[in-house]
Amino acid sequence: EDKVVQSPLSLVVHEGDTVTLNCSYEVTNFRSLLWYKQEKKAPTFLFMLTSSGIEKKSGRLSSILDKKELFSILNITATQTGDSAIYLCAAPNLINDKIIFGKGTRLHILP
Amino acid sequence: DGGITQSPKYLFRKEGQNVTLSCEQNLNHDAMYWYRQDPGQGLRLIYYSQIVNDFQKGDIAEGYSVSREKKESFPLTVTSAQKNPTAFYLCASNSNMNTEAFFGQGTRLTVV
Repeated sequence: EDKVVQSPLSLVVHEGDTVTLNCSYEVTNFRSLLWYKQEKKAPTFLFMLTSSGIEKKSGRLSSILDKKELFSILNITATQTGDSAIYLCAAPNLINDKIIFGKGTRLHILP
Repeated sequence: DGGITQSPKYLFRKEGQNVTLSCEQNLNHDAMYWYRQDPGQGLRLIYYSQIVNDFQKGDIAEGYSVSREKKESFPLTVTSAQKNPTAFYLCASNSNMNTEAFFGQGTRLTVV
């Protein structure tokens, strides 16, 4: 059965700290891994990763995929209170067309 | 503006009643999805549809039904058979499996 596992489930840090969020996956017919940020309602798209070892960056956020170890990380440097959110990792199965989500990491940044 | 719209934002239902949640998109996306989100559970797939007039059960389809009569619309009915319907429901769409999914703002359903 396909699964996506995120860790930690919850994280509390102080503003300015750097955090690393983890996502492991076991998805047949894997093609890409997706990261989303969910603040109040709709998850908003952050990154799509398809190639192993190539870092994607957007400001203070970056992410990388390891297709050999079936793993991805999301890094946030110099965290701000606005980074407080649930971060979701997902992977589509290309055969049955399901998009499988992890349980998310709830990140809380203390001022 | 292109996007995906869910309505209503908040919904209250008495036990034993069916209720339908609306999801409309004007992105010309073929695929649409319904997820349920409970605290600590992440997003769990209820139903999904890759094409008009066709849909598949997700991982927690019991007590729910859907239809896909038009490409733009994918309504979800929460039936009285759903034992624990109080949750946050999210609708998503994408053009194909090589692109990211876009989400609506969600509907929070409370059974009273």
